[in-house]
Amino acid sequence: TQLLEQSPQFLSIQEGENLTVYCNSSSVFSSLQWYRQEPGEGPVLLVTVVTGGEVKKLKRLTFQFGDARKDSSLHITAAQPGDTGLYLCAGALSSGGSNYKLTFGKGTLLTVNP
Amino acid sequence: NAGVTQTPKFQVLKTGQSMTLQCAQDMNHNSMYWYRQDPGMGLRLIYYSASEGTTDKGEVPNGYNVSRLNKREFSLRLESAAPSQTSVYFCASSRSRYGNQPQHFGDGTRLSIL
Repeated sequence: TQLLEQSPQFLSIQEGENLTVYCNSSSVFSSLQWYRQEPGEGPVLLVTVVTGGEVKKLKRLTFQFGDARKDSSLHITAAQPGDTGLYLCAGALSSGGSNYKLTFGKGTLLTVNP
Repeated sequence: NAGVTQTPKFQVLKTGQSMTLQCAQDMNHNSMYWYRQDPGMGLRLIYYSASEGTTDKGEVPNGYNVSRLNKREFSLRLESAAPSQTSVYFCASSRSRYGNQPQHFGDGTRLSIL
């Protein structure tokens, strides 16, 4: 059973369209991170959300952490070809004491066509 | 700014051979991680080192060993490679073991076991 479910798994849109991808769980996370991964490279952090209900904006990207800290969404406005990539969410769960591990979702592969 | 450096970038092994994947970070980070990424499976944690001198198992540790050589370096060893270990391996580091700390990834080692 995947701890973090991401949807959709694949998304292909035209330049200029808006989109939302989701990251859902039945577990409560202390924080949640979003990464973007381009082909042949490692994931790169986009944002960390910590507080339930928190909204963060990064240019055309808007990230929201659910009130119960079990889910998150990423909304992209007016998508551009440069937004193409694999979007990964990762939640931090306590692994004992003050140690934490990140659990990654399987990702949403976004293709923005010119 | 090198960040996290992984070597080699590509490797082909025969079943039963052994090899060590190297990882070094130059950000003075305390925590380091090894993940594998398989199609449709997302990133799965193999082993991690919360601080120098400690290592712990992650989600999929079987068939692997690790060594935290010093604060900068964290290696992953396959003692007897199996085709099921064909994957892309990513090393990551973070400032601390606390969950809201971002992880910085290398560009991966693409490993094929024949």
